Amino acid sequence: KQEVTQIPAALSVPEGENLVLNCSFTDSAIYNLQWFRQDPGKGLTSLLLIQSSQREQTSGRLNASLDKSSGRSTLYIAASQPGDSATYLCAGNDMRFGAGTRLTVKP
Amino acid sequence: EAGVAQSPRYKIIEKRQSVAFWCNPISGHATLYWYQQILGQGPKLLIQFQNNGVVDDSQLPKDRFSAERLKGVDSTLKIQPAKLEDSAVYLCASSLGAGVEQYFGPGTRLTVT
Repeated sequence: KQEVTQIPAALSVPEGENLVLNCSFTDSAIYNLQWFRQDPGKGLTSLLLIQSSQREQTSGRLNASLDKSSGRSTLYIAASQPGDSATYLCAGNDMRFGAGTRLTVKP
Repeated sequence: EAGVAQSPRYKIIEKRQSVAFWCNPISGHATLYWYQQILGQGPKLLIQFQNNGVVDDSQLPKDRFSAERLKGVDSTLKIQPAKLEDSAVYLCASSLGAGVEQYFGPGTRLTVT
């Protein structure tokens, strides 16, 4: 049974910092991993989808990597802004989600 | 491109009552998902459809929950009878196929009193 863990559960940083969010999974049989953003009271917005053959995907200030052998994915956010404040969630293609990391970027 | 539509957005019912949620996926998306998200937790997959067939319903409490996707487009999720622990946000998502990028609707917030 897939277990997805996201660390840290909450993170508060000053504006402009670079930061890393972590996602660990137990089932290495997944073939892709997706990162999402969720604003309070809203649905999820897809940020990046990484195929296992790609290892890495970039979109603007976001970069996500996937290492199936270690069961880990990281989401790197460069030059954080207050508008990045949200909960970030990861899920493999089996659609098992972690509990998320709640990010607050302070002006 | 229109997104995933869900209704109602909010619903308050008493325990033991019935409730139904509706989802209209993005046009052309063959795969549709229903999730339950309890406050402070990640979404939990309840059921996955491929066209109008069920792919995965292993986490659906079948004694009280049911879902259907007639004609492979719209879908409804029903709870009968509701329990207090069913209070959650119910999210619908769709994708072109299984294992590719998912697009989520705004969700339906259910409160059971």
